[in-house]
Amino acid sequence: EAGVAQSPRYKIIEKRQSVAFWCNPISGHATLYWYQQILGQGPKLLIQFQNNGVVDDSQLPKDRFSAERLKGVDSTLKIQPAKLEDSAVYLCASSQFPANTEAFFGQGTRLTVV
Amino acid sequence: KQEVTQIPAALSVPEGENLVLNCSFTDSAIYNLQWFRQDPGKGLTSLLLIQSSQREQTSGRLNASLDKSSGRSTLYIAASQPGDSATYLCALPRGGADGLTFGKGTHLIIQP
Repeated sequence: EAGVAQSPRYKIIEKRQSVAFWCNPISGHATLYWYQQILGQGPKLLIQFQNNGVVDDSQLPKDRFSAERLKGVDSTLKIQPAKLEDSAVYLCASSQFPANTEAFFGQGTRLTVV
Repeated sequence: KQEVTQIPAALSVPEGENLVLNCSFTDSAIYNLQWFRQDPGKGLTSLLLIQSSQREQTSGRLNASLDKSSGRSTLYIAASQPGDSATYLCALPRGGADGLTFGKGTHLIIQP
């Protein structure tokens, strides 16, 4: 079974630029999550999709972050404009059903904002 | 709001020792608890998932226990090996939604 795929693996941008990350979840997984992990911290949930609908985006900084999941499969997370404090690893995860099931994570995208 | 605390923050032990990592949480109304491993520069690998109705789960040299009433979980690693060196994270679903709330992790080093 293929895992969660993310790209790119690394990205360096200047502050105020924009950046986009891509995620392809495990086939058949209806739930998709984006997490932000700052160095030395545990991941923090940014947004959760169920199929192509948003379930929870309460911790997403909506003035600069946006995410979409077209056709309930792939997802993109965008930051525009980026700030220095956005430097982090952005992790995508998927699970088969809401709650009570195991979440599987991709390798992450390491973003450095200079 | 669920809060997750992991103790210790870092641990260094000689190879072969048995060790226990601790995770505590504030809201005992949980669906499940998941333990992950994270290697430097990598994503998270799921180790064990304990359902709220279970008290423990085992996989190889790993055993995770769950005590909902006291808000605690432990990850027991038997006969530790250098390859076990990594950061170990516990996580629980957030309230009524099922996104995960993570602890900060325990950074484990197994000395050869």
